[in-house]
Amino acid sequence: RKEVEQDPGPFNVPEGATVAFNCTYSNSASQSFFWYRQDCRKEPKLLMSVYSSGNEDGRFTAQLNRASQYISLLIRDSKLSDSATYLCVVNIGGNNRKLIWGLGTSLAVNP
Amino acid sequence: GAGVSQSPSNKVTEKGKDVELRCDPISGHTALYWYRQSLGQGLEFLIYFQGNSAPDKSGLPSDRFSAERTGGSVSTLTIQRTQQEDSAVYLCASSPGQGDYEQYFGPGTRLTVT
Repeated sequence: RKEVEQDPGPFNVPEGATVAFNCTYSNSASQSFFWYRQDCRKEPKLLMSVYSSGNEDGRFTAQLNRASQYISLLIRDSKLSDSATYLCVVNIGGNNRKLIWGLGTSLAVNP
Repeated sequence: GAGVSQSPSNKVTEKGKDVELRCDPISGHTALYWYRQSLGQGLEFLIYFQGNSAPDKSGLPSDRFSAERTGGSVSTLTIQRTQQEDSAVYLCASSPGQGDYEQYFGPGTRLTVT
């Protein structure tokens, strides 16, 4: 089993739709979690950290389920500009170098 | 302020040649990472530098790969005797330190080995 797994997609949704991605991780000792966004042929950029209590940033909501070992990202009222690959990142140790990156989920928002 | 910069942006080399890729991290960032990303693939961790500590080289795929970081700032990734499977985008990232800090990525160097 991969340490971090994501459905590669692609997810094709119309503008205004709500879409959700899950990411599962295998190491129960994982300590922190992140969602990064990567546009085509661009570098990854942090979208949001994922806190135990869940957190929201505008149209984006991230949740953590430690019991089932997954994190989720919900995008409401999706925009064309949300089209990108969303990367799940898990810190399995105390040092930042133990970040494990998922392969990403591709989202295409269509007009 | 200035972000992470990398050079060259593109590099085409012949199989068997050596290449050097450069990364200038954000000023003051003590942590520096190298990753590579093949077409349609995820990020593959290569090496990590943190301050004056010994680097974590656990991700380097072979002894043809090496990296150094001079003066705690600029880093160079060297690939000796390049092979076609080395073709990928090499990404550098820096962060303010250890822990759960955001990683800031450079634009990458696209390496093509012919």
